[in-house]
Amino acid sequence: QKEVEQDPGPLSVPEGAIVSLNCTYSNSAFQYFMWYRQYSRKGPELLMYTYSSGNKEDGRFTAQVDKSSKYISLFIRDSQPSDSATYLCAMSPSGSARQLTFGSGTQLTVLP
Amino acid sequence: DTGVSQDPRHKITKRGQNVTFRCDPISEHNRLYWYRQTLGQGPEFLTYFQNEAQLEKSRLLSDRFSAERPKGSFSTLEIQRTEQGDSAMYLCASSLGRKNMNTEAFFGQGTRLTVV
Repeated sequence: QKEVEQDPGPLSVPEGAIVSLNCTYSNSAFQYFMWYRQYSRKGPELLMYTYSSGNKEDGRFTAQVDKSSKYISLFIRDSQPSDSATYLCAMSPSGSARQLTFGSGTQLTVLP
Repeated sequence: DTGVSQDPRHKITKRGQNVTFRCDPISEHNRLYWYRQTLGQGPEFLTYFQNEAQLEKSRLLSDRFSAERPKGSFSTLEIQRTEQGDSAMYLCASSLGRKNMNTEAFFGQGTRLTVV
């Protein structure tokens, strides 16, 4: 069993929909949680960076962490075709990138 | 462009050949990381530098792989005697870190290697 599990999708939604992306994990040492967006043939781009449990909002994006359930989510409001990409969750016990464990990514398509 | 830069973007090589990739991190970042990403998977950690010192290597980094970061600036990743299983996207990332403080890592565009 992988330390981080992420539904690979693909997920297809109409423009303007609310998108919910999720990851579960098994390592209780993870304290830092990140979401990256990766366009086709590009490197991952950091979207959200959170520490421990709780919510964090940035524009149309909201990240939630529930450490008791070992479950993290990313919500995208008013989704746009430009949001079409693969979304990767990542987590680390220390916040250091040398200890990042990534999910396998969820492929999202937002239809105009 | 002040982001992480990787060169080349694409490399096709024959099995058994050696290849070398270059990464230029964000200029003030002292930490540099190499990751490998295969199709449909998330990136996997390979190795990590703080300044010029290579401080950590993953068990994924076989003895055919070597990485350097002379003078703590750019880094190179060399793969000797390439195998078809080496085909992947090789990602470089950099961050600014100090004792007991970590900041988020920024990734480059990656080098896509195809071994034929």
